[in-house]
Amino acid sequence: AQSVTQPDIHITVSEGASLELRCNYSYGATPYLFWYVQSPGQGLQLLLKYFSGDTLVQGIKGFEAEFKRSQSSFNLRKPSVHWSDAAEYFCAVGGPNQGGKLIFGQGTELSVKP
Amino acid sequence: AAGVIQSPRHLIKEKRETATLKCYPIPRHDTVYWYQQGPGQDPQFLISFYEKMQSDKGSIPDRFSAQQFSDYHSELNMSSLELGDSALYFCASSIALQGNYGYTFGSGTRLTVV
Repeated sequence: AQSVTQPDIHITVSEGASLELRCNYSYGATPYLFWYVQSPGQGLQLLLKYFSGDTLVQGIKGFEAEFKRSQSSFNLRKPSVHWSDAAEYFCAVGGPNQGGKLIFGQGTELSVKP
Repeated sequence: AAGVIQSPRHLIKEKRETATLKCYPIPRHDTVYWYQQGPGQDPQFLISFYEKMQSDKGSIPDRFSAQQFSDYHSELNMSSLELGDSALYFCASSIALQGNYGYTFGSGTRLTVV
């Protein structure tokens, strides 16, 4: 069965520090992978997505993610975090035969220290 | 650009009452997805529609029903509400059932059952 695991429930980083949020997936075929961000009480905003090709994907707001098939991972990174990045981050997986359905991870809450 | 519109934004209902949530997709989008996000939880897929037909069904209680209308808007009907139905309900829309997952989430309807 398809699943997504985000091992870190909560992460705190200092403003200006680098960030890496972990995501591991279980999927039988070639996965489509996504990162979404959600501010409190708000909707889900797509940061980036991977379907195929270059395994390093650039997204909005300075985020990037790297697909590593051998590790079944799709970790999200940002070189320098801003206070406005504090939010909940969700990794999600889909696929070409999933009818557009997404399976989400449990989310990682990011706090940013001044 | 037009986005996915959900109404109402907030809804408070008592146990055993009914609720209707509406979703207006982006113009020319023919596919709608519904997700439920409980407090502190990840979004869970409920149901999807393509060209006014149900295309997939997730963990949606029998007390819930949904449909997509001729103008492609969708409604999620929830009866015999329980406290556990309190959640943020997201709708997303896309063009075509499969493809590149180019879908956009609405801001959600927050349902509180008291």
